[in-house]
Parts: sequence; structure tokens; C-alpha cells
Amino acid sequence: DADVTQTPRNRITKTGKRIMLECSQTKGHDRMYWYRQDPGLGLRLIYYSFDVKDINKGEISDGYSVSRQAQAKFSLSLESAIPNQTALYFCATSDLVSGLTDTQYFGPGTRLTVL
Amino acid sequence: AQSVTQLGSHVSVSEGALVLLRCNYSSSVPPYLFWYVQYPNQGLQLLLKYTSAATLVKGINGFEAEFKKSETSFHLTKPSAHMSDAAEYFCAVSAGSQGNLIFGKGTKLSVKP
Repeated sequence: DADVTQTPRNRITKTGKRIMLECSQTKGHDRMYWYRQDPGLGLRLIYYSFDVKDINKGEISDGYSVSRQAQAKFSLSLESAIPNQTALYFCATSDLVSGLTDTQYFGPGTRLTVL
Repeated sequence: AQSVTQLGSHVSVSEGALVLLRCNYSSSVPPYLFWYVQYPNQGLQLLLKYTSAATLVKGINGFEAEFKKSETSFHLTKPSAHMSDAAEYFCAVSAGSQGNLIFGKGTKLSVKP
């Protein structure tokens, strides 16, 4: 089984709808992340969480919210989806080694289309 | 603040030719550096990483990268390209105690027969 799973893998929705993307991990890491990927822009960080009680905004958090339900679960919500939130969304986890973020492990991604 | 620049959004090589993907970084602390690969319709997979041990790092699928502090570079190479190497490659630097990775914008590698 995959270490980092995301559901759904694909979602098409309409403008104004509320959407939740879910992420689960079995790696035992405290740190979890949500990114979006757009062509030519690379990966941009939306939110990150160092543990269940520590959640931080990334560079593009407007229009998004998150919930860390447990060490292994980190959900991303779009409260009122808009077309420019159409993108590929990735969840990732990592450990901390010698004060630096070590390897991030990525889920397979969720392709979201907002019409 | 940390940052990463990948030179060339698209690189095309012939099968069997040398692959060279360029990455320059800036970091206020001794960095951890990473190369990831993304195959079509898949997530990112770690190719290799530098964590202040040997400056020449070997990764999966015959790729390697050399950390050059004086040039603030971490270029990715492979002596002989295979068709299966066609993918997008991302360089990343660890952002210190903040716990994030800063990614470059990616380089898409095409391999011609």
C-alpha cells in the first residue's frame, strides 16, 4: 500500500461549491503539507502542519483552509471553489533531521477542475 | 531566504546523449538539496538528495548530482539518456528550521529517439 494516499484522485465541481481533499499517511511523520501545481509555476505551498496543533499558512493560502484531524490525516478545503483553483493538488509528509526538513514524500495528487 | 532557480524550463536530448539539468540555489544556512522527478500523471518521487556528506550524490536510475558550494549549484546529470527518462524534474532546497522545501519551477526533459 502507498505511504501517502489522496482522495479523490479526480474531481470536477462547479463555482461556489465546497470541496474537501483528503490526505492520509502511514509514514509516521509529524509534518504534512499541501501544494498546488500549475504548469510553468512549479509547486506552491498552500498550508503546512508541524503537528496536530501547529498549522501554518503557506505562500498561497487565500481561499483555502485545512484541518489536521490526527497525525496521519490532513485535509484541504476550498470553501467556495472558483475556476482559478483548477490545478493539481499534492499532499506531502516529511521528517525533521538535524533541524532541517528532510525528504518530502508525495501522494499521487488530486486533479481538481472548477467549472 | 532560500530560493532555487532552474535554468531552462524545457530540455531536449537524443537517446544516449548526456543529460544536464541545471539548478542554482541560495541559502542562508548549509542546505539540504533535493532532486525530484515527476512522470506523467504521477506524484513527485525523490531522485537524490544532498545532506552535507559527500558532494557527489548518486541517485536512482543512473542520475547523479554534484554540490558545488562556490558556485551555489546542484546540477543533475546522467551520462546516457533513455526514453524512460522523459519527465519533469524539480530541484528543491530545505528552508532551514521553518520545515519547508523551496522548489524550483521545474525542467521538462524530452528524449528523442
